[in-house]
Amino acid sequence: GQNIDQPTEMTATEGAIVQINCTYQTSGFNGLFWYQQHAGEAPTFLSYNVLDGLEEKGRFSSFLSRSKGYSYLLLKELQMKDSASYLCAVKAAGNKLTFGGGTRVLVKP
Amino acid sequence: DGGITQSPKYLFRKEGQNVTLSCEQNLNHDAMYWYRQDPGQGLRLIYYSQIVNDFQKGDIAEGYSVSREKKESFPLTVTSAQKNPTAFYLCASRDRDFGNQPQHFGDGTRLSIL
Repeated sequence: GQNIDQPTEMTATEGAIVQINCTYQTSGFNGLFWYQQHAGEAPTFLSYNVLDGLEEKGRFSSFLSRSKGYSYLLLKELQMKDSASYLCAVKAAGNKLTFGGGTRVLVKP
Repeated sequence: DGGITQSPKYLFRKEGQNVTLSCEQNLNHDAMYWYRQDPGQGLRLIYYSQIVNDFQKGDIAEGYSVSREKKESFPLTVTSAQKNPTAFYLCASRDRDFGNQPQHFGDGTRLSIL
């Protein structure tokens, strides 16, 4: 079966850095995605990792360690608009994505 | 603009009634997906289709049905057999054969029981 774990909620201050961890146990691995979802809206794609290492995209970075079944999303220079849920999703066999429960990030002034 | 359109945005269902949620995409994507999201939860896969006239059950298919008669359309029917249908339903699509292509999501349909 598939199991993806992420913290339920995190709080951080505007301008700070927050790291959202994701651990996974899946049958097969073909990549890991991070999505951002504001309340009541559709998820939007943030990043994709398939090889070990860090992918940087502006204020957002994502890291993957396949041997440890671990990824994190790093949000730097936090802004109020970054308050949202962040979803970790693993692509295992076939084209199916399995999502974690999401991490709700609250940015405080 | 290319994208995924879900309608309606809000839907109310009476007990014992079937309802159909629409999903249309003009991105020329082969693969389409339906997810259910409950408050404070992640997304759970209901059904998916990788090509016209073919679809597979996801993790929570019971009480739902789909069809894929056209590439651009993937409607979801919530049947009366689904005992707890109140949720946010998201449709997604992607290019089938490119591993790093993300799924693109519609804006969702919020279904409630009257």
